Amino acid sequence: DAKTTQPPSMDCAEGRAANLPCNHSTISGNEYVYWYRQIHSQGPQYIIHGLKNNETNEMASLIITEDRKSSTLILPHATLRDTAVYYCIVRPESSGNTGKLIFGQGTTLQVKP
Amino acid sequence: NAGVTQTPKFRILKIGQSMTLQCTQDMNHNYMYWYRQDPGMGLKLIYYSVGAGITDKGEVPNGYNVSRSTTEDFPLRLELAAPSQTSVYFCASSKRTGIYEQYFGPGTRLTVT
Repeated sequence: DAKTTQPPSMDCAEGRAANLPCNHSTISGNEYVYWYRQIHSQGPQYIIHGLKNNETNEMASLIITEDRKSSTLILPHATLRDTAVYYCIVRPESSGNTGKLIFGQGTTLQVKP
Repeated sequence: NAGVTQTPKFRILKIGQSMTLQCTQDMNHNYMYWYRQDPGMGLKLIYYSVGAGITDKGEVPNGYNVSRSTTEDFPLRLELAAPSQTSVYFCASSKRTGIYEQYFGPGTRLTVT
């Protein structure tokens, strides 16, 4: 199963774009990249997912490199409410059709005024 | 539509006691999951279920039991509570197919002393 590597913490100024990197160099061809976030003490919240192409929704954009070894989650205009732990997850091939996710340590994003 | 609900929100147990953490979802999701989160760490999968009557172990199943008699409910049983089970427990659910986006409950904070 592919592992992910994220920086433990990042800061971002309010109103600026937050770019959160994730390395998944051992990802296999049919493994999806998911991003979740966890605001303090709450349950995690799904943000976005992708396989090969870049994806965008109302919350964020996901940029996946052509070789799929890394990705970047972009919050275009960060607000104080975006302060959270962000998890980059590669859905393991071994999960089959069970939907299992393996959470790592994540990146703590601090948005500052 | 309440989503995923968990009870209780908080609980203190003495070593050796038993308890059941309740989880209910009203989204007609086939898949349900139990995670635990220790302080400063990511989530670890305890057990999961792909449908009523079907359960399987996750990463850290020891000391826990589950059952799934209905689509809506997925209780987690702790037998002989130990201090190592002090954690926040999250229940989640997802659809059977597609992106497997997981919806999380608010969590149960458990302390074993």
